[in-house]
Amino acid sequence: AQKITQTQPGMFVQEKEAVTLDCTYDTSDPSYGLFWYKQPSSGEMIFLIYQGSYDQQNATEGRYSLNFQKARKSANLVISASQLGDSAMYFCAMREGQRGGADGLTFGKGTHLIIQP
Amino acid sequence: EAGVAQSPRYKIIEKRQSVAFWCNPISGHATLYWYQQILGQGPKLLIQFQNNGVVDDSQLPKDRFSAERLKGVDSTLKIQPAKLEDSAVYLCASSRDREYTEAFFGQGTRLTVV
Repeated sequence: AQKITQTQPGMFVQEKEAVTLDCTYDTSDPSYGLFWYKQPSSGEMIFLIYQGSYDQQNATEGRYSLNFQKARKSANLVISASQLGDSAMYFCAMREGQRGGADGLTFGKGTHLIIQP
Repeated sequence: EAGVAQSPRYKIIEKRQSVAFWCNPISGHATLYWYQQILGQGPKLLIQFQNNGVVDDSQLPKDRFSAERLKGVDSTLKIQPAKLEDSAVYLCASSRDREYTEAFFGQGTRLTVV
């Protein structure tokens, strides 16, 4: 079974609109971490946001927020006020267990986001 | 602060040849990762180092892939002999230490095996 599922292969969004990128995960471990990365055409993966399974509040970092719904095993990324520079591939990833910060990440297949002017 | 450096950026080889990729992590970062990203997929962890020791190499095809980080700084990933299915981008990442959630990635080496 897929551990990380991203159901949107591609999305087109108008500039300045909010965007929600979907991610569902599958684990039986009560301790895990969820990550979102951005991969622009230059190739490097850029860390955006992290949510731990025991965190009470949804994570936020600037224009990025993570809508964490534990019962649904969902960790959607919300980008507010989208910009042209947000066009990129976006990957959801999970770390299972009580390991270290970014150990043993399993990535989804990604969503290609295109922001239109 | 300089980022993670990788070389070469691109490499084309014939199947059964060998190839090596080099990674220089951010200065002072103890944890180093090598990922393989096949076109259309997310990265897959190949190996993780903590200083010069291996933490996780469970997904490294050890019959053909090897990696080292001898002095706990830069690292080399080797494939010998290469197969067509090894065509991918090889990404190196580093983290200050294992408890830090943010890992910094290099731009990767795009390998094409023909």
